Amino acid sequence: QVQLVESGGGVVQTGRSLRLACAASGFTFSSYPMHWVRQAPGEGLEWVAVISYDGSDEYYADSVKGRFTISRDDSKNTVYLQVNSLRAEDTAVYYCARESIVSSSCLDYWGQGTLVTVSS
Amino acid sequence: DIQMTQSPSTLSASVGDRVTITCRASQSITTWLAWYQQKPGKAPKLLINKASRLESGVPSRFSGSGSGTEFTLTISSLQPDDSATYYCQKYNRYPWTFGQGTKVEIK
Repeated sequence: QVQLVESGGGVVQTGRSLRLACAASGFTFSSYPMHWVRQAPGEGLEWVAVISYDGSDEYYADSVKGRFTISRDDSKNTVYLQVNSLRAEDTAVYYCARESIVSSSCLDYWGQGTLVTVSS
Repeated sequence: DIQMTQSPSTLSASVGDRVTITCRASQSITTWLAWYQQKPGKAPKLLINKASRLESGVPSRFSGSGSGTEFTLTISSLQPDDSATYYCQKYNRYPWTFGQGTKVEIK
């Protein structure tokens, strides 16, 4: 069965960096675009970034452009989110999600999320 | 960027009621709209894609309609398990955008 397991979250000071990881299993990882979506405490969902199935294209939300970088390692079935220059407003649960290649490109599987807390 | 606006923000209804949530896009997105259900402490779950296509395994009491800029999610007969927050999402082009969410409570 499809599984996505995020890791790498934690408490970090303003201005520092973290690398989040999402380990995938149960499907042919290299065939799927992968996304990161975040949710601040008590708030709604915010789309963050996507990487194409072959890693050739990346897109970002304006709020993270220039500070976050998405990447993938198909040999490890893992997608990463490098988060730099962290701000208080980056505090959120970060979810990775698979983009369906059947259901017209929606996010059909999600991980359980990893919490990033940015403190001063 | 295209903005997505949901209404209402919260609604309270009784078991068996018909419930409708509206999502409006600031520009036409044809039918590139999805609906997700999220329960507290859990990841979102995809309910509907392409505005009206029900995902496999989703109860048939859920339905979606609309195109262009106005969309609706309808629960035909509200059940206790439907207590959750519902989000619309547009995905015609990047950046993808979610609506702010509609919290559905059971009276």
